[in-house]
Amino acid sequence: DVQLVESGGGLVQPGGSLRLSCAASGFTFRSYRMNWVRQAPGKGLEWVSYISSGSSNIYYADSVKGRFTISRDNAKNSLYLQMNSLRAEDTAVYYCARGDSVTGAAFDYWGQGTLVTVSS
Amino acid sequence: EIVLTQSPGTLSLSPGERATLSCRASQSVSSSSLAWYRQNPGQAPRLLIYGASSRATGIPDRFSGSGSGTDFTLTISRLEPEDFAVYYCQQYGSSTGFTFGPGTKVDIK
Repeated sequence: DVQLVESGGGLVQPGGSLRLSCAASGFTFRSYRMNWVRQAPGKGLEWVSYISSGSSNIYYADSVKGRFTISRDNAKNSLYLQMNSLRAEDTAVYYCARGDSVTGAAFDYWGQGTLVTVSS
Repeated sequence: EIVLTQSPGTLSLSPGERATLSCRASQSVSSSSLAWYRQNPGQAPRLLIYGASSRATGIPDRFSGSGSGTDFTLTISRLEPEDFAVYYCQQYGSSTGFTFGPGTKVDIK
């Protein structure tokens, strides 16, 4: 079965940093595009970042550009999100999500999410 | 930037009824890049429809998607208890990235 398990969330002060991880299993990780999506408490979904299977193409939402860095280690079946200069508005549940194999445009599997709280 | 608008904001229906949810884009979207998700409380979203009309793996046939250009529809033919949830449409554009709509909540009447 496909599994995505996020970790690394927690409480951090404004201006601080945090690194999220997503451990993938049950599929050939190196063949799939991956994404981070977040959801602020009580709010809707916001796409954060995308990385292609071989890391050659990377995109970010404008709201995190210059502060967040997505990366992956295909040998370790892992996806990462380095978050710097965190703001209160970055408080959210962060999900890793797999891009579907047909179009890459839909997210066919999601992790359970990890909560990031930015507060002093 | 493509903006997705979903209507209605809330839909109040009874189990067994038909639900029709709308997603409108601010400019034309490729049908291959339009998806629908269901999110139950406390859970991660689940992919229902991709490519505007293709059901994802394991999704029952009471879910159907249609539309093209700027107007897309998700139809649930007979609401089951687990279908009372929030639904999001999402699109991908090579120059605009990924965008989600604000969601439609389907609640029990």
